[in-house]
Amino acid sequence: DGGITQSPKYLFRKEGQNVTLSCEQNLNHDAMYWYRQDPGQGLRLIYYSQIVNDFQKGDIAEGYSVSREKKESFPLTVTSAQKNPTAFYLCASSDRGQGVSQPQHFGDGTRLSIL
Amino acid sequence: EDKVVQSPLSLVVHEGDTVTLNCSYEVTNFRSLLWYKQEKKAPTFLFMLTSSGIEKKSGRLSSILDKKELFSILNITATQTGDSAVYLCAGLNQGGKLIFGQGTELSVKP
Repeated sequence: DGGITQSPKYLFRKEGQNVTLSCEQNLNHDAMYWYRQDPGQGLRLIYYSQIVNDFQKGDIAEGYSVSREKKESFPLTVTSAQKNPTAFYLCASSDRGQGVSQPQHFGDGTRLSIL
Repeated sequence: EDKVVQSPLSLVVHEGDTVTLNCSYEVTNFRSLLWYKQEKKAPTFLFMLTSSGIEKKSGRLSSILDKKELFSILNITATQTGDSAVYLCAGLNQGGKLIFGQGTELSVKP
């Protein structure tokens, strides 16, 4: 089945550690996105990528980094510079049929907690 | 600054009731308005509205966009306990960026 796979589902981090969240899609979508969701809030955009080897900062990129070496993969690294990393992280992808953005489809998310 | 505001933030109803969720938006280079349903994990896509005044329907759910008033509503008729979820509204700009509202948490009691 086509879809977006995020791993792991739960992740614990010690202070000062970098962690990497995985996002893989087999939908052949060009665009991929990372969001952060905090309790009682909507989704906030961290980074996005419209094409392989290119990505742009979203609204809250500080303390995060990404890479897009393959079309199907868009890993997110939460660095020690991110002061409040505890959150629910969602990855999404979308097609650009006929040059027009299509609805984004989401993975099941990774819940990151600080030990 | 782009923003999307949803109301109410939470709502409790009984099975069989009809509910209306509201979404107002201010999005530069606006293209479309999207609705998602989120039950604990991944938001699932419900509707994408691009044209004003055209209602989209899927079973008991329907939605409409007013591009003059910068507003959209999501209606759910004959609610069921399975409709309990957070409903997210998001504005999509021409560059493909989604701007999300805070969400409306709907709880349907038996």
